[in-house]
Amino acid sequence: GESVGLHLPTLSVQEGDNSIINCAYSNSASDYFIWYKQESGKGPQFIIDIRSNMDKRQGQRVTVLLNKTVKHLSLQIAATQPGDSAVYFCAENSGSNYKLTFGKGTLLTVNP
Amino acid sequence: GAGVSQSPSNKVTEKGKDVELRCDPISGHTALYWYRQSLGQGLEFLIYFQGNSAPDKSGLPSDRFSAERTGGSVSTLTIQRTQQEDSAVYLCASSWGRPGSPLHFGNGTRLTVT
Repeated sequence: GESVGLHLPTLSVQEGDNSIINCAYSNSASDYFIWYKQESGKGPQFIIDIRSNMDKRQGQRVTVLLNKTVKHLSLQIAATQPGDSAVYFCAENSGSNYKLTFGKGTLLTVNP
Repeated sequence: GAGVSQSPSNKVTEKGKDVELRCDPISGHTALYWYRQSLGQGLEFLIYFQGNSAPDKSGLPSDRFSAERTGGSVSTLTIQRTQQEDSAVYLCASSWGRPGSPLHFGNGTRLTVT
């Protein structure tokens, strides 16, 4: 069945370091992946997405890597800032399924 | 531009009462989704609308839950005879309704059933 999971439930980094948040998925039919950031008391905020015909996509300070061979997705945040502290969710969608399936999330804490 | 708007932001109700939660999607978005998020958990899909129709209601936990969407815009999620286990944050999202379109979320309604 479909599932999206995260390797690490919590991640603590020093300000200025790079952060890497990992995600595994099990549905080989998944062809679209999204990372969301959720701050306390707010809804998930779209960060970056990637389609399965790509293995890397870059945004502002963020990079998403997709390894379809091992069904693994990662979010890299460069020069992590205190404002990056939040829960990060990966989500997946298959071409025939309009819904997003979410993992449980990783709490990122940035220490000044 | 305006994002997804949800109201109320907080709702406290007594067990057994009915509640209505409202969602105003981003203008022009044809797809609308309701999700539920329990404390410290991921997002649980409830229902999906494409226009005014709901092709997928598979996530609604019981027949006490219902939702409607009128005019292809505003949606209401109704929970009848609320139970304590209904306490959660109810999130609404909208999108362009095409596979691969990112969902844009509101800030949710925090429902507490006492």
